[in-house]
Amino acid sequence: NAGVTQTPKFQVLKTGQSMTLQCAQDMNHEYMSWYRQDPGMGLRLIHYSVGAGITDQGEVPNGYNVSRSTTEDFPLRLLSAAPSQTSVYFCATWTGFTDTQYFGPGTRLTVL
Amino acid sequence: GENVEQHPSTLSVQEGDSAVIKCTYSDSASNYFPWYKQELGKGPQLIIDIRSNVGEKKDQRIAVTLNKTAKHFSLHITETQPEDSAVYFCAASRPGGSYIPTFGRGTSLIVHP
Repeated sequence: NAGVTQTPKFQVLKTGQSMTLQCAQDMNHEYMSWYRQDPGMGLRLIHYSVGAGITDQGEVPNGYNVSRSTTEDFPLRLLSAAPSQTSVYFCATWTGFTDTQYFGPGTRLTVL
Repeated sequence: GENVEQHPSTLSVQEGDSAVIKCTYSDSASNYFPWYKQELGKGPQLIIDIRSNVGEKKDQRIAVTLNKTAKHFSLHITETQPEDSAVYFCAASRPGGSYIPTFGRGTSLIVHP
């Protein structure tokens, strides 16, 4: 089992460009989330999903969109990238049986 | 909502010393308290967790203590080794899965050989 995978590992964008960060899991977990990690700020929740077709906003949702059409995939979309979105992005999954979060390896995004 | 404070932000110790990281939380309904370790260039990974029906849990050199009355919990690492160097995050949440955990801001632990 691959667990939680994220692509790409690194990405450089210009201001105003759009892109999608991919997250996939083969653990059959119902819950998935996106975090951004910035120096000194810890892990801040962007969006999360409690199941296919259900998403909700986290602490810092502005500038990001998500959808969850399948249990396995939870893509994060940046519609018009801004330098403030330069960060490391982590996807996580978990199940209500254990509450333990399983994180992907991260995507390092730089917006110029 | 829940608020989790974590201290210190940086901790530097000599190999073989003990390290203690402390967290406080605000929501008295929280009863699941995990600790995650993040090595350089990787995602966080669970190293130990505790639920509110116990006060202490140990796993080899790692232990976590919980004081529900004071709303604080701590991570203790004994006999530190260079491979313990990483960023450690505490978190607090309610059970049942649909409650999103709230993370502390992290502690960068540096173990000097």
